[in-house]
Amino acid sequence: SQTIHQWPATLVQPVGSPLSLECTVEGTSNPNLYWYRQAAGRGLQLLFYSVGIGQISSEVPQNLSASRPQDRQFILSSKKLLLSDSGFYLCAWDRGRGGNQPQHFGDGTRLSIL
Amino acid sequence: QKEVEQNSGPLSVPEGAIASLNCTYSDRVSQSFFWYRQYSGKSPELIMSIYSNGDKEDGRFTAQLNKASQYVSLLIRDSQPSDSATYLCAVNRGTSYGKLTFGQGTILTVHP
Repeated sequence: SQTIHQWPATLVQPVGSPLSLECTVEGTSNPNLYWYRQAAGRGLQLLFYSVGIGQISSEVPQNLSASRPQDRQFILSSKKLLLSDSGFYLCAWDRGRGGNQPQHFGDGTRLSIL
Repeated sequence: QKEVEQNSGPLSVPEGAIASLNCTYSDRVSQSFFWYRQYSGKSPELIMSIYSNGDKEDGRFTAQLNKASQYVSLLIRDSQPSDSATYLCAVNRGTSYGKLTFGQGTILTVHP
């Protein structure tokens, strides 16, 4: 069966500090991978998606970036965090075969910026 | 007009009743539809997928899709307090990558 791991679960960072969140998927190959952010009481905002190694598409302009160094690894980064970067960050995957696949989410990282 | 609209609620139903959650979408070429349940502080969990018009049943859950009306719903029979959560409707245009558009979610409270 497939599993998705996301870490850390919670993170408190000062404004201006760097960020690295990691996500890995097991039990499948060539998945599509996604990063979402959910602000408190708000819906899910798609930040990045990737259909393959090294292929990253950004949905919204921001000071975040994403990378996919391996097939089942997805990393969300920032060089300098802003207060507005606080939120619940979720990694998700789907089977990546022709669309129409449901996405499955990791447990998320709750990021607080001080 | 939002791409995917849900009544934010809260929707309150007594234990044992049927909870009815509704979702409308604006993109007529949408091909797949999903319902996720999200407990407070947790990540969304897929509970139903539906791809063609009509009803799809899975245990106490029934998803209903009407593409002509651009409407998808979720019925929860014999609602339990453990069903209290936010329910997210998500729609996929069927592109090669599965870009989902989510509604804002409906908060459901099932009271004993």
